[in-house]
Order: sequence, then structure tokens, then C-alpha cells
Amino acid sequence: QLQLQESGPGLVKPSETLSLTCTVSGGSISSSNYYCGWIRQPPGKGLEWIGTIYYSGSTYYNPSLKSRVTISVDTSKNQFSLKLSSVTAADTAVYYCAREAGSFSWFDPWGQGTLVTVSS
Amino acid sequence: QSVLTQPPSVSGAPGQRVTISCTGSSSNIGAGYDVHWYQQLPGTVPKLLIYGNINRPSGVPDRFSGSKSGTSASLAITGLQAEDEADYYCQSYDSSLSVSVFGGGTKLTVL
Repeated sequence: QLQLQESGPGLVKPSETLSLTCTVSGGSISSSNYYCGWIRQPPGKGLEWIGTIYYSGSTYYNPSLKSRVTISVDTSKNQFSLKLSSVTAADTAVYYCAREAGSFSWFDPWGQGTLVTVSS
Repeated sequence: QSVLTQPPSVSGAPGQRVTISCTGSSSNIGAGYDVHWYQQLPGTVPKLLIYGNINRPSGVPDRFSGSKSGTSASLAITGLQAEDEADYYCQSYDSSLSVSVFGGGTKLTVL
């Protein structure tokens, strides 16, 4: 059964870079058409798509975040990574990684999410 | 303000049927892009409920159904149960923005 788990610092200072890792277990991301998406949810608010990466390395970013986002893949570790630079309090959210069924498709399964707070 | 508009809240009594709408435009739902639905129980991770407009993943009760017409989609829940109380989100693709988009979410209250 495919499982995803996010990891990374829960507290980031303003203007610094948020870095998260999504570790996939129960399957090899390099053995199939594997897309991984990052989605975030500010406390008490809705879901926002951040971006998606294909296991080969092709990326798709939300234009509203594109200048600050980098998503990468490490197939040897079965991991995806998210970096968001120049963070502000508005970037405080629960960050989820999820398998995407195809480019701009549905997300399933999701990781358990990790809360990242931006504060000095 | 999301490009996919959902009512902020809906409610119904146990056993009743409720529907949640997701209204888009000609650059997303109206352009033929699929709509997917997620259920987020309080304090939990979003769970895929409907994919490709009408399909239920294994394990999702057939009380949940999806439909799509024109620039809108709907999620219907029949035989409402207390455990259905959750936030529901629709998702699609918008070609003018080149993004996956989520609706603003609808809070379902079971009376």
C-alpha cells in the first residue's frame, strides 16, 4: 500500500527558505508514471495547489508561487522535496504531499501533512 | 476567491439527501476538464471521494455520487449520516491559469 510522509522543520523564520521532504513507501517512484503534488492549507482555510513533479523531473508550478518554489525528486531515496523561499506569515500552513494520478489530475493518497509556521 | 465556487455550508438531517455544487467557467469545468471531490473530516487529511467526475475509489460508499454538466459539477450524498459531517472540496484544472484549482470548500453539517 502506497504511503507518503512529509518531514521537515515546523518553524521557519520570515525571509528564510522552507524545506520539506516527502518520502514514499510501498512502491518505487521510478518504476511507474509517478507524479507527486504539493498542496498546502492555511489554518482554517482551503486547499491550494503548490506544484507537481513527474518522477523524471518535469515540474509544474502554481504561477502565484512559481518565483519562490522549487520541487525536486531523488529517485534513489524515493523522495520528493519542496523548497519555498522568502517565506512570510502568509506561508504558514499544513503542507501535504500526495500522489497525483497524472498531470493535473486527482490526488491520492495524501501524506499526513506537516504544519509549518513562519515566525521569528 | 477560488475560480471554483462552492457554497460555504450546507446542512441536512440524517437520512436526507444533500448536494454540493462546484461552479466553474469555460476555462476549467466548462472546457471539459475533470472534476474530483475530497472529504476532509475534522482534523484529518483530505480523502479522495470522487475522481473523473463520477468515479468512486474502492471503499467509498455508493451514497456518494458525482455529476458534471456545463460549467458546474455536483456531489450528492444520500442517506446522510453523522459521520459525513466534514468539509468537502472540488478540484479541477484551469487552462487559462495553468493550475490545478480547488474550490473554497463546503462545510457539511448533519443536523
